[in-house]
Amino acid sequence: EAGVAQSPRYKIIEKRQSVAFWCNPISGHATLYWYQQILGQGPKLLIQFQNNGVVDDSQLPKDRFSAERLKGVDSTLKIQPAKLEDSAVYLCASSLDGTSGNTIYFGEGSWLTVV
Amino acid sequence: AQSVSQHNHHVILSEAASLELGCNYSYGGTVNLFWYVQYPGQHLQLLLKYFSGDPLVKGIKGFEAEFIKSKFSFNLRKPSVQWSDTAEYFCAVNGATNAGKSTFGDGTTLTVKP
Repeated sequence: EAGVAQSPRYKIIEKRQSVAFWCNPISGHATLYWYQQILGQGPKLLIQFQNNGVVDDSQLPKDRFSAERLKGVDSTLKIQPAKLEDSAVYLCASSLDGTSGNTIYFGEGSWLTVV
Repeated sequence: AQSVSQHNHHVILSEAASLELGCNYSYGGTVNLFWYVQYPGQHLQLLLKYFSGDPLVKGIKGFEAEFIKSKFSFNLRKPSVQWSDTAEYFCAVNGATNAGKSTFGDGTTLTVKP
């Protein structure tokens, strides 16, 4: 079974530039998550999709971050303009149907450095 | 709101030593609890989870965790660690009414010396 795919794996940008990350979840998984993991901390949920609808985006800095999941499969997370404090690993994850007992499957992450 | 606290940021053990990593959560209702592991250079993956039933949960690679509801704890244990257990361990909680939204602790880095 193919896992969660993410790209790019690494990105270095200057502050105020923009960046986009792409995610392809496990086939058949209805729920898709984007987490931000700052060095030394645990993953923090940014946004959760159920199919192509947003379930929770309460922790997404909407003035600079946006995410979409068109057609309920792939997803894109965009940051514009980037700030130094956005340097982190952006983890995409998916689960079968988003119920609380579901296992979350993670991708390898996209490492962002903002200079 | 749900939250997780992991007490140890970095643990260093010798091979064959016993391991216990602490995890306490805060949530006022029924919870599901998870331990995830991230080996060097790899992605986060599930180690074990508590959903319901027997509070002693066994996972992969000889790990187990015990859910103690009265203490709001879900500590991870292994009787004898190996060098290959060197990794970062994350505890996560998901309240039963929170629609699959897991909150993670800040992780414990385990280093096992050969």
